[in-house]
Amino acid sequence: EPEVTQTPSHQVTQMGQEVILRCVPISNHLYFYWYRQILGQKVEFLVSFYNNEISEKSEIFDDQFSVERPDGSNFTLKIRSTKLEDSAMYFCASSVEGSNQPQHFGDGTRLSIL
Amino acid sequence: GESVGLHLPTLSVQEGDNSIINCAYSNSASDYFIWYKQESGKGPQFIIDIRSNMDKRQGQRVTVLLNKTVKHLSLQIAATQPGDSAVYFCAEISGGSQGNLIFGKGTKLSVKP
Repeated sequence: EPEVTQTPSHQVTQMGQEVILRCVPISNHLYFYWYRQILGQKVEFLVSFYNNEISEKSEIFDDQFSVERPDGSNFTLKIRSTKLEDSAMYFCASSVEGSNQPQHFGDGTRLSIL
Repeated sequence: GESVGLHLPTLSVQEGDNSIINCAYSNSASDYFIWYKQESGKGPQFIIDIRSNMDKRQGQRVTVLLNKTVKHLSLQIAATQPGDSAVYFCAEISGGSQGNLIFGKGTKLSVKP
C-alpha cells in the first residue's frame, strides 16, 4: 500500500538555525499538508498546498515557515531561525482531493531545538 | 474555544469487549469527519470517515455515528483487540476549506488482555 514518507525521522538543531523537513507524498495525490504536534497535545494544521501554491495556512504558519515542491515527488517544510518552541513532531499528509477525501499521514519528523 | 473536543481522555476496556470513543464538535459548517488512530511513534492512521449527509458508516470492526443535532461523533470498535490500543483522534473539515483538518485532543484506548 502506498504511503507518505518523511525524512529525517529525528532532527536536532541549534536554536537560530534553519531546518528543512522532507516529505514524499503518495504519488497520485494532489493535495499536500503539514501539521505539527507538540508533545502531549493535539495535532495542529500548519499549511495546505495545491497546484504549486499555498491553499490555506494557520496562524502558526508565519514568515518563519515556507513550503516548496521542488520536483515532482518531494514536498518540503523550511523553518528559518528556529526557536525552542518549534520543538515538535511535524507530520506531512497528502490526499487525492482537498475537502472530501481522507488525508494520509507520514510517521513524522521529531524536531528538537536546543 | 476549540472546534473539536473529546469527552474522555482515557478509556480502558477488556479484550473482546466493544469500545465507544466519543467526540464533540462545535462548527456546524463542518461537513466531513475522520477518525484517526495514532500509535506511539507513528503518524495518524486513517480508520474511517463520514460525510455530513450520513448518520452512520461501517467498516471492518468499526462504526462511526454522526449526530448533527447535538454535534456529536462516535467511533465504535467491535471485539476490541490489544492491537487497538492507541490514541484515537476525531478530525473535521469545514465546508469550503481546502482540507484544513481540525483535530480533537485524543482519547487513549487501553485494551486489557
